[in-house]
Amino acid sequence: GQQLNQSPQSMFIQEGEDVSMNCTSSSIFNTWLWYKQDPGEGPVLLIALYKAGELTSNGRLTAQFGITRKDSFLNISASIPSDVGIYFCAGQLGNSGNTPLVFGKGTRLSVIA
Amino acid sequence: ETGVTQSPTHLIKTRGQQVTLRCSSQSGHNTVSWYQQALGQGPQFIFQYYREEENGRGNFPPRFSGLQFPNYSSELNVNALELDDSALYLCASSPRGRGTEAFFGQGTRLTVV
Repeated sequence: GQQLNQSPQSMFIQEGEDVSMNCTSSSIFNTWLWYKQDPGEGPVLLIALYKAGELTSNGRLTAQFGITRKDSFLNISASIPSDVGIYFCAGQLGNSGNTPLVFGKGTRLSVIA
Repeated sequence: ETGVTQSPTHLIKTRGQQVTLRCSSQSGHNTVSWYQQALGQGPQFIFQYYREEENGRGNFPPRFSGLQFPNYSSELNVNALELDDSALYLCASSPRGRGTEAFFGQGTRLTVV
């Protein structure tokens, strides 16, 4: 089946540092999504990207939809302790909006105060 | 908005048993998708329900089945449980055709012993 390669698998950073993580695929996706999952919770949508080349921000978070439509990155600026969690990229293949999501394996972020 | 709620939150079953997991979708959301998230992995699509019918299925065997009810709530049934079925089962609801607006429940943690 489809797979997304997400890196790095884990990160340990100091509070206040910037973070960058990315996701690549062998397939072209029409939509890229970034989620955050806290322990004992379901994933929560952070940013959705719908167009190749699109750069979108949500507060301290910025994500881009790669021009080739096979990759995306997420940046977090000035990290704070509540940024701790697992970040997942997800892609959607179809155009109908009902196409299921394909998830990466996640990047586990730890922030040291 | 009541959000997506799943029950139970935790469950322990014995290999070979059957299990039913439940999901109440967000108000106004008529499409429900189920995902399996093994430890350390991203969610994997199981199937999707719309208008009380299965509308897309991932790479899961027939012993994984589901239902959707007129109020859009849904059940996931797994027969002949195997040890590898131990995972977090996530339900996501969305408006039809707007899968990127899906909201996830907190999940049901199933342990098969």
